[in-house]
Amino acid sequence: GAVVSQHPSWVICKSGTSVKIECRSLDFQATTMFWYRQFPKQSLMLMATSNEGSKATYEQGVEKDKFLINHASLTLSTLTVTSAHPEDSSFYICSPLRAAGEQYFGPGTRLTVT
Amino acid sequence: SQQGEEDPQALSIQEGENATMNCSYKTSINNLQWYRQNSGRGLVHLILIRSNEREKHSGRLRVTLDTSKKSSSLLITASRAADTASYFCATDEGAGSYQLTFGKGTKLSVIP
Repeated sequence: GAVVSQHPSWVICKSGTSVKIECRSLDFQATTMFWYRQFPKQSLMLMATSNEGSKATYEQGVEKDKFLINHASLTLSTLTVTSAHPEDSSFYICSPLRAAGEQYFGPGTRLTVT
Repeated sequence: SQQGEEDPQALSIQEGENATMNCSYKTSINNLQWYRQNSGRGLVHLILIRSNEREKHSGRLRVTLDTSKKSSSLLITASRAADTASYFCATDEGAGSYQLTFGKGTKLSVIP
């Protein structure tokens, strides 16, 4: 199976700071990356879709200026939560697409904003 | 948007019993997938069923798909305590769109 890593696995930050989450596909190239958010005891909600080298497409209700996505290479995508607030506390999961229909998931990053 | 709706939301059974979870969706789909998630962890892919398939098996898992009713079921036979997790269905609409829409999930507890 494909290997996907996320770093950090968990992070605690103070309100107003920014946090960067990295997602790497270790043994395959991903032209498309999906970023999901999961609040406690809820399901995954798609935040945005990004293609390598182009701007991300954000889902309705997701602020693109707050959640900055960079997909500069086929093996690395980053999600930066800018000026984080307690309501941004969530589990963030990346999902690279290897080929048509082959979608994999990272282990997730638990963000807690105090 | 949340398309899939799982029921029940929570299910508690004894080890050795079978567990059945259902998922309904609203739009036409290309594929439907089931995932498992242990508490606080990432997703584990269980099984994919295509829109032209009606049933699929994988080990102790059996998935059915009824596109006329826009519903799917996941059956876990001879459950084990290690099966305790949340189970989600996810659909994609195909036509070049691979983004998944997840259901709300069923939290399964298997009591030893």
